[in-house]
Amino acid sequence: DQQVKQNSPSLSVQEGRISILNCDYTNSMFDYFLWYKKYPAEGPTFLISISSIKDKNEDGRFTVFLNKSAKHLSLHIVPSQPGDSAVYFCAASDRATAYKYIFGTGTRLKVLA
Amino acid sequence: NAGVTQTPKFRVLKTGQSMTLLCAQDMNHEYMYWYRQDPGMGLRLIHYSVGEGTTAKGEVPDGYNVSRLKKQNFLLGLESAAPSQTSVYFCASSGTGEGYTFGSGTRLTVV
Repeated sequence: DQQVKQNSPSLSVQEGRISILNCDYTNSMFDYFLWYKKYPAEGPTFLISISSIKDKNEDGRFTVFLNKSAKHLSLHIVPSQPGDSAVYFCAASDRATAYKYIFGTGTRLKVLA
Repeated sequence: NAGVTQTPKFRVLKTGQSMTLLCAQDMNHEYMYWYRQDPGMGLRLIHYSVGEGTTAKGEVPDGYNVSRLKKQNFLLGLESAAPSQTSVYFCASSGTGEGYTFGSGTRLTVV
């Protein structure tokens, strides 16, 4: 039973365009969400987070949107750059286990020059 | 500033052999985790620890044991390796209310 789902295993985008990565969750108790980026042969690195009290969080080229009623979050990268090519994981936690995150299966983004 | 260090980076085991993966963090984090990453499966939690001397099971604990004798170290043991345990293993640590800091991973192949 996958509580956090990333239904698109891969995505290709032209350099300079917008990349939109999606994530759906089933547990309504989740209240904190993270996005991680992973390059080959490296560990995941933290990218951006959002709390359930917000519907948007922005950090430079990266914006995360949260739609609680749809149990859906998305990561927007604008403009996309070749260095953004990586696997992106979303993760979620709830107040009861705030230290423990459930990860999605990841989306491989390829930004074409 | 090392962060989270995993040892070894690569290992090939024969079925039935045992080994221990070591994770060390220098950030004084309370929480430590072991995940495995498999194609199409994302990151799945094996075991975790909420403090020195404590351990708990995650999503996929079978075939693994862990120990947290010192706050900075979290060991993952495979007593009798199986081909199904071929994977990339990631250790992570976090402080209260923080996201994870991951190590660079251990690629394990069981033949």
